[in-house]
Amino acid sequence: SAVISQKPSRDICQRGTSLTIQCQVDSQVTMMFWYRQQPGQSLTLIATANQGSEATYESGFVIDKFPISRPNLTFSTLTVSNMSPEDSSIYLCSVDYLIREGGNEQFFGPGTRLTVL
Amino acid sequence: GENVEQHPSTLSVQEGDSAVIKCTYSDSASNYFPWYKQELGKGPQLIIDIRSNVGEKKDQRIAVTLNKTAKHFSLHITETQPEDSAVYFCAVDANAGGTSYGKLTFGQGTILTVHP
Repeated sequence: SAVISQKPSRDICQRGTSLTIQCQVDSQVTMMFWYRQQPGQSLTLIATANQGSEATYESGFVIDKFPISRPNLTFSTLTVSNMSPEDSSIYLCSVDYLIREGGNEQFFGPGTRLTVL
Repeated sequence: GENVEQHPSTLSVQEGDSAVIKCTYSDSASNYFPWYKQELGKGPQLIIDIRSNVGEKKDQRIAVTLNKTAKHFSLHITETQPEDSAVYFCAVDANAGGTSYGKLTFGQGTILTVHP
């Protein structure tokens, strides 16, 4: 399986500021995703991070609020911009990893726990 | 879009008992169905998955069954242990097709508690 790390693991931020979350994978992967998990809730896909092109956002999420970079096949960043308390969540990076011919599996990073005051 | 319903929301069992969690989905084109275990303060961990060309898959104490006609799949944990206590999520590939799997739609989660 892929080993995924995220930085920071947690942060407490002030309203109106921005935070950039980093995701690093130990091997090259084609597809990387960013999810949000609000307190006590399930996971919701924010966007697909595309290498060499703009990210693809899901309904309800926009680039101005969640800009994403994907400079290579092992790294991505998610920025949470102009934060409000409603942005307090766990943000998770995941990768779609080819484990054997004809089969992919998706693995998740440990998450970044964000609290906005 | 895809809609995934997961039941029950909480499940409490005695150590050694079996636990069953069920999910239903709406998109008949979906063909990949993973299950994740999430412990407190950690990211989801893939524990088992099944693809639409298979009806059942087993890995030691964990099994998953799939009924594509009825559009539901279930996680079965036998001989439960306290360390099985966690939140379990089902998911469905919302971008099904070919050998490349993409976006996942998750169920609401089940809090499993195994009492010693």
